[in-house]
Amino acid sequence: QSVLTQPPSASGTPGQRVTISCSGSSSNIGSNYVYWYQQLPGTAPKLLIYMNNQRPSGVPDRFSGSKSGTSASLAISGLRSEDEADYYCAAWDDSLSGYWVFGGGTKLTVL
Amino acid sequence: QVQLQESGPGLVKSSQTVSLTCTVSGGSISSGNYYWTWIRQPAGKGLECIGRIYTSGSTNYNPSLKSRVTISVDTSKNQFSLKLSSVTAADTAVYFCARQTISGGFDYWGQGTLVTVSS
Repeated sequence: QSVLTQPPSASGTPGQRVTISCSGSSSNIGSNYVYWYQQLPGTAPKLLIYMNNQRPSGVPDRFSGSKSGTSASLAISGLRSEDEADYYCAAWDDSLSGYWVFGGGTKLTVL
Repeated sequence: QVQLQESGPGLVKSSQTVSLTCTVSGGSISSGNYYWTWIRQPAGKGLECIGRIYTSGSTNYNPSLKSRVTISVDTSKNQFSLKLSSVTAADTAVYFCARQTISGGFDYWGQGTLVTVSS
C-alpha cells in the first residue's frame, strides 16, 4: 500500500492531453514539493518534474506539473507513442524523522 | 557525466543480510550538496525509498525498514552501501541507487540490480 495514491492506469490517443493525479496528506504533499518520474519498461526512473512544476533540462514542455493542497497532477499534452510508460509521484514525508514516499504508479497507455 | 552502478549478490538466503554497493563515477561523492539514496522496486510493483545518506554521514531511513537497514558511505572509494538484515521473500526486488539533489529530485540513477531472496 503506497503512501501517495495514484490511479493504476490512464490512457489517451496521440495528440490528446492526459492528466495523472496524485493524492497525499498534510505530512507529505500538503507541506512539501512534489516530484514526478517516468519509467520505461526495464529501465530506471527518469526525473520529469521537480519542485511541483519545474522541468529538468531536456524534458519537453509537453509535460507539466501542478499542486493544490494535498493533491498534485501531471499533465501531458500532445500525447506521443513514446510517452507510454509508468509514471510515479513522490514527496518528502515529514512524519518521524522524514523519508521519501512514492505513489503506486500509473501505467499510461497510448491507444 | 555522473554514473552510478550497483553491485552485490543476486541471490541471498532468507534470514541473511544482503549487502549492496553503489559506485559513483564522473564526480566526487563528497562534493556538492547531494543525498545518496537506495530505492527498491518489487517486480511489477511501485517504488519504495529505503533510505539516504548525506555526504556528512547523516542518514534518513524508511520507518518500515529502519530496524533492518544501514546505509554508509566510503568517500575514499567513491561508494555508498546498503545493508539489509533478516531478509525475507518480501525483500525480493530490483534495488536502485540514486543521487538526490538539494532541490529534491533524484537526477541520476543506477541501472538497478535484482536481489532474490530464497528459502
